[in-house]
Amino acid sequence: ILNVEQSPQSLHVQEGDSTNFTCSFPSSNFYALHWYRWETAKSPEALFVMTLNGDEKKKGRISATLNTKEGYSYLYIKGSQPEDSATYLCAASGSARQLTFGSGTQLTVLP
Amino acid sequence: DAGVTQSPTHLIKTRGQQVTLRCSPKSGHDTVSWYQQALGQGPQFIFQYYEEEERQRGNFPDRFSGHQFPNYSSELNVNALLLGDSALYLCASSQDRIGTDTQYFGPGTRLTVL
Repeated sequence: ILNVEQSPQSLHVQEGDSTNFTCSFPSSNFYALHWYRWETAKSPEALFVMTLNGDEKKKGRISATLNTKEGYSYLYIKGSQPEDSATYLCAASGSARQLTFGSGTQLTVLP
Repeated sequence: DAGVTQSPTHLIKTRGQQVTLRCSPKSGHDTVSWYQQALGQGPQFIFQYYEEEERQRGNFPDRFSGHQFPNYSSELNVNALLLGDSALYLCASSQDRIGTDTQYFGPGTRLTVL
């Protein structure tokens, strides 16, 4: 896995808005897709790990989908809250165990 | 249950010096990975240790070396520091399974090279 891209780079939304980000990765040699939430001055927090095409995971107001054939994953946040403000990172792993990260999407939720 | 811990939190060194960063994995985890995060970029994989051996290595020079101890804790050593080594160094631990296991991250060590 050589190149993982995330968009947008940053995003400002109003409290209560729903939002989504995109992670794209090479579909060849893909094994798993990881999403992390990273708040300033804290450790990155694992949100989801997905492996199968069509996988959908949900944790509270946050959900994610995976399309391995076309090489993308979406992360959705429903009804954004100020505490959702963070950088959201995706990472892909191939047959090797190392994670290749995108540059992240920095989300700011305005009250 | 303590999560992944790293020490020190911050470190300032000068060019040419050597530095050692430390990591204690989450309880029950036997695999430790190290990542470097430069400003504005995502974390980049340095290497991974399992059973006290380096198992995978990213595109980093030999100045970067590591060690894993019998209790699974790990050290990252960087020799002959360059200004470009200034970054946040993250440690992550996991159980030894292929690819899918979640890697749990520590808060990182901020290294500044002057």
